[in-house]
Amino acid sequence: GENVEQHPSTLSVQEGDSAVIKCTYSDSASNYFPWYKQELGKGPQLIIDIRSNVGEKKDQRIAVTLNKTAKHFSLHITETQPEDSAVYFCAASKGTGNQFYFGTGTSLTVIP
Amino acid sequence: KAGVTQTPRYLIKTRGQQVTLSCSPISGHRSVSWYQQTPGQGLQFLFEYFSETQRNKGNFPGRFSGRQFSNSRSEMNVSTLELGDSALYLCASSLSVGHTGELFFGEGSRLTVL
Repeated sequence: GENVEQHPSTLSVQEGDSAVIKCTYSDSASNYFPWYKQELGKGPQLIIDIRSNVGEKKDQRIAVTLNKTAKHFSLHITETQPEDSAVYFCAASKGTGNQFYFGTGTSLTVIP
Repeated sequence: KAGVTQTPRYLIKTRGQQVTLSCSPISGHRSVSWYQQTPGQGLQFLFEYFSETQRNKGNFPGRFSGRQFSNSRSEMNVSTLELGDSALYLCASSLSVGHTGELFFGEGSRLTVL
C-alpha cells in the first residue's frame, strides 16, 4: 500500500518567517495530495490541495509544490502568524474513493 | 450549514467491552469515512461508506466494523476493546467519492480504554 512520510515532526518559527513541511509518498499511482490543518480539539481542515497534473499551487500565503518524479510534495507558508500554529498533515490518494494515506503530522509553533 | 457531528465526544471503556460511535454528515453528503488518530500513527483509514455500501476498508482487524443508514448517518463499532484502541476516532463526510471534493471532518470521538 501507500506510505506517506512527513518531516519535520515539530517546527518552530518566528512570526513573519517562512515554514516548510515536506512529505514523500511511495505509490506512483497516487494522484491527489491535500494538506490539512488541525487545531487543538478540532478535526482536520483542508487548507490546500494539488493534483498530479500540476507542479505548484498557491493560495495567498500558502503554496504547495509537487515533484512526481521524486515522489515528494511540500507545503510552504510565508509571513507566518501566530494563528498558523497547529498540526499540519499531508495526505495522498489514488482516487479510489475517499481513502487517504496521511503523514504523521507536523506541529508548527509560530513564536510572536 | 451544520458541520459533521460526532457523538459521543468522550468516552471511557474497559478492556473487553464494545463501543458504538455515531456520525452525522453534512446535509447532502453521501460519503462517510472513518479514521483513527493516535499520536504515533497519525490518521489511519478505517473504512468508507457511500449510499449504505462499504466502498473501501483499511487494514484493521474485524473487531472494527461500521455501517451507514439511508439518511447517510454512519456508525462504527469496536468489539472486544483493547488498550491499543484508545484513540481519537474521526469521521469525515464528502459530497462524492473520489477526490472530486474535500473531506469535512468532525471533531472526533475520543475513546479511552482502561
